[in-house]
Amino acid sequence: AQSVTQPDIHITVSEGASLELRCNYSYGATPYLFWYVQSPGQGLQLLLKYFSGDTLVQGIKGFEAEFKRSQSSFNLRKPSVHWSDAAEYFCAVGGGGYQKVTFGTGTKLQVIP
Amino acid sequence: DGGITQSPKYLFRKEGQNVTLSCEQNLNHDAMYWYRQDPGQGLRLIYYSQIVNDFQKGDIAEGYSVSREKKESFPLTVTSAQKNPTAFYLCASISPPGQGILNTEAFFGQGTRLTVV
Repeated sequence: AQSVTQPDIHITVSEGASLELRCNYSYGATPYLFWYVQSPGQGLQLLLKYFSGDTLVQGIKGFEAEFKRSQSSFNLRKPSVHWSDAAEYFCAVGGGGYQKVTFGTGTKLQVIP
Repeated sequence: DGGITQSPKYLFRKEGQNVTLSCEQNLNHDAMYWYRQDPGQGLRLIYYSQIVNDFQKGDIAEGYSVSREKKESFPLTVTSAQKNPTAFYLCASISPPGQGILNTEAFFGQGTRLTVV
């Protein structure tokens, strides 16, 4: 069965500092991988996705993620965090087509001035 | 603009009542999903539907029911059998590659917060 692990429940970073959110997945074939962001009381917005090709993918809002098959990881990074990045971030894995997407439990990001 | 609309945004239910959450999409997606979100537990799949008049149970279907009579609509009923229904409910639709969009991507509504009073 497919699964996603986000080991960090909460992360606090200073504004302007770099950020890395960890995501490990389990999937029996080539995975489709996603990062979503959720502001309080809102739905989820797609930041970026990986299906094939270049293992470093660029997303919106200055985020990027790197797919490492050998480590079953898809970590999200941002070189300089802004206060508006404070939100909850979800990693997800799916198989493409109609198959269901499985979400991790989320990492809540706090940004301090 | 294409998108997914969930209504109402807030919903209050008395114990023992059934309530129905609405989810409508105009993205022409075949697949639609309902998730429940609780603090610290991420998103858990309740039901999903890949095509009209067909749906499957997800990981936590007990106490919930759905219908899919139209492609655009996938309402979720929270029945009195659901013992702890207070949560944030998210509806999503998914674009398979065959619909001309690059790859699978879930589009989400803004959610419905259900509270039992």
